[in-house]
Amino acid sequence: QKEVEQDPGPLSVPEGAIVSLNCTYSNSAFQYFMWYRQYSRKGPELLMYTYSSGNKEDGRFTAQVDKSSKYISLFIRDSQPSDSATYLCAMWGGNNRKLIWGLGTSLAVNP
Amino acid sequence: EAGVAQSPRYKIIEKRQSVAFWCNPISGHATLYWYQQILGQGPKLLIQFQNNGVVDDSQLPKDRFSAERLKGVDSTLKIQPAKLEDSAVYLCASSLQGNSPLHFGNGTRLTVT
Repeated sequence: QKEVEQDPGPLSVPEGAIVSLNCTYSNSAFQYFMWYRQYSRKGPELLMYTYSSGNKEDGRFTAQVDKSSKYISLFIRDSQPSDSATYLCAMWGGNNRKLIWGLGTSLAVNP
Repeated sequence: EAGVAQSPRYKIIEKRQSVAFWCNPISGHATLYWYQQILGQGPKLLIQFQNNGVVDDSQLPKDRFSAERLKGVDSTLKIQPAKLEDSAVYLCASSLQGNSPLHFGNGTRLTVT
């Protein structure tokens, strides 16, 4: 079993839709959770950085962490064509100081 | 704040040739990472530096890959000799310290023919 599981998609939604992106993980020691957005031919760009459980909101983006279920989500409200990208989750914590990455979910928002 | 700079952006070489990539991290960032990203996959850590010391190089194919961080600032990653399976994007990232968010450059896209 991989430490972090992320459905690679692709996910295709109409403009204005609410998008839900998810990752599950197996290591209960993970404490720091990140979402990165990666456009084609660009490096990953940090979107959200959260510690422990709960919600964090930044504009149209909300990151949610449920440590009891070992599940994190990224919600995008009022999705725009400019949100079309690959979204990567990453996390670390405990004795293993290595950042563990999901495979990334490819999202297309259609006008 | 200037971002992470990488060069070159693209490189095409033949197998068995050598290649080098360069990275200039964000000023003041103590931690520097080299990642390999194959299309459709998440980044794979090759090596992590803390200042100019190696923290983790467990996934670096040391028979062909080498990396150094000069004076705790710039870094170079070298492949010699290259294999077809080395075709990938090589991403450099930096962070203030080991548990801070990573900031990435735009990568070097390597094609080995």
